[in-house]
Amino acid sequence: QQQVKQSPQSLIVQKGGISIINCAYENTAFDYFPWYQQFPGKGPALLIAIRPDVSEKKEGRFTISFNKSAKQFSLHIMDSQPGDSATYFCAARGPNAGNMLTFGGGTRLMVKP
Amino acid sequence: DSGVTQTPKHLITATGQRVTLRCSPRSGDLSVYWYQQSLDQGLQFLIQYYNGEERAKGNILERFSAQQFPDLHSELNLSSLELGDSALYFCASSVEFADTQYFGPGTRLTVL
Repeated sequence: QQQVKQSPQSLIVQKGGISIINCAYENTAFDYFPWYQQFPGKGPALLIAIRPDVSEKKEGRFTISFNKSAKQFSLHIMDSQPGDSATYFCAARGPNAGNMLTFGGGTRLMVKP
Repeated sequence: DSGVTQTPKHLITATGQRVTLRCSPRSGDLSVYWYQQSLDQGLQFLIQYYNGEERAKGNILERFSAQQFPDLHSELNLSSLELGDSALYFCASSVEFADTQYFGPGTRLTVL
C-alpha cells in the first residue's frame, strides 16, 4: 500500500534545540525520499532529499537519517531557529505511476525564541 | 519563488458550480502535477501530465479533469462542486524524470 506515516503532528522546540521528525513507509519500491517545508500561504518547497542507498545526508543544519531495514527516515534540524517555524512534510516517490509523491501528514514545528 | 505560477490565488464559489484552475510550469519543465491539500486528507496527488499527455492518476474524482496544452500550461477543471472540495490546490512541475518537483503558491478554493 502506498502510505507514509509521519510523527509527531506538532512539535515545539526552544531556539538552539534539535527538532526531530520521523516518517515510516510501507512500500519497499519507493526510491526517493524528499522533505518539504511549507510556510503559511505558500507552496511546499524542497528542503532536502535522500535515496535509499544512503544512510545519512546533511545539508547545513538539516540532516536526513535513513534506515532501510526499518523502513523509516527522519529529519533532524540542528540549532533550530524561529525562522524554521513551518510545516514539514516527508514524502516518498515510487518507481511506478509516473513521478508522483506520497506525502506524510505533516508536522507543524514551532521554535520558541 | 519556485518559478511555477498559479491563478487565481483565491476562488470562492457555490456548490454545484464549475471552476478552472490554471498552472504555468517552470521554463523547460515538461511534467506538471496537481495536488490537493485539505485539513483532513493532507497533501494528495491528483494527476500528472507529461508533455501534453496524462502520465499518472491518483485520487482524482470523476468530477475533476485536467489537461496540459501545447504551451505546457495546465488547467484543472472541477465540476459539480461540493463543500468538501474546499481545499488548497497545488500545481508542481519538474524536468522529465527529475527528482525535484517545484510547487506553485497554490489556489485556495472555497465552496459555499
